[in-house]
Amino acid sequence: AQTVTQSQPEMSVQEAETVTLSCTYDTSESDYYLFWYKQPPSRQMILVIRQEAYKQQNATENRFSVNFQKAAKSFSLKISDSQLGDAAMYFCAYRTGGNSGGSNYKLTFGKGTLLTVNP
Amino acid sequence: KAGVTQTPRYLIKTRGQQVTLSCSPISGHRSVSWYQQTPGQGLQFLFEYFSETQRNKGNFPGRFSGRQFSNSRSEMNVSTLELGDSALYLCASSFEPGRTGLPLHFGNGTRLTVT
Repeated sequence: AQTVTQSQPEMSVQEAETVTLSCTYDTSESDYYLFWYKQPPSRQMILVIRQEAYKQQNATENRFSVNFQKAAKSFSLKISDSQLGDAAMYFCAYRTGGNSGGSNYKLTFGKGTLLTVNP
Repeated sequence: KAGVTQTPRYLIKTRGQQVTLSCSPISGHRSVSWYQQTPGQGLQFLFEYFSETQRNKGNFPGRFSGRQFSNSRSEMNVSTLELGDSALYLCASSFEPGRTGLPLHFGNGTRLTVT
């Protein structure tokens, strides 16, 4: 079974600074997806960024980028120029990439990292 | 395009009662998944529906059930409620299961409190 570990329960960053959230995972699959989701107090899970395991290039979405180390099974999220609106719980998630009819496409989540942004 | 809509937003029930939660996916999405979020266990997969059929089920007791209608709307039901069922229940939709169905879009959740 796949597992996702976020070792930082809480992190804080100054506005305009850069912060990196850590995530490691365990899987025997070679085809999979990794995601970072953000959950603000509104409770809605918002997709921040996703990475396909077969792509070596690290995904980037504006101020958000990842450092995907497949061999090390590490998937960290870097937030540049942090803004007050970035304050939220961040979840790292794993999903199989298998496209067979019998695949379970559930997301396996880490426990989350609560990010505080200080003005 | 409207997002994933979950109703109600808050629910308070008593132990032993049953509850039904509703989820309307994004228009055109045919796959719906449910997740339970608690402080202790985090986010856990409940089940996934596609074209009115349950494709997969998580490790939850039989008190947790669900269904999907022909318009892709989904409901989940919890019978004989226990205190430990207090949680945020999140629904997510996608066009279809599998690679082409990504990404998942989540609703705002239903906060269930069991007293």
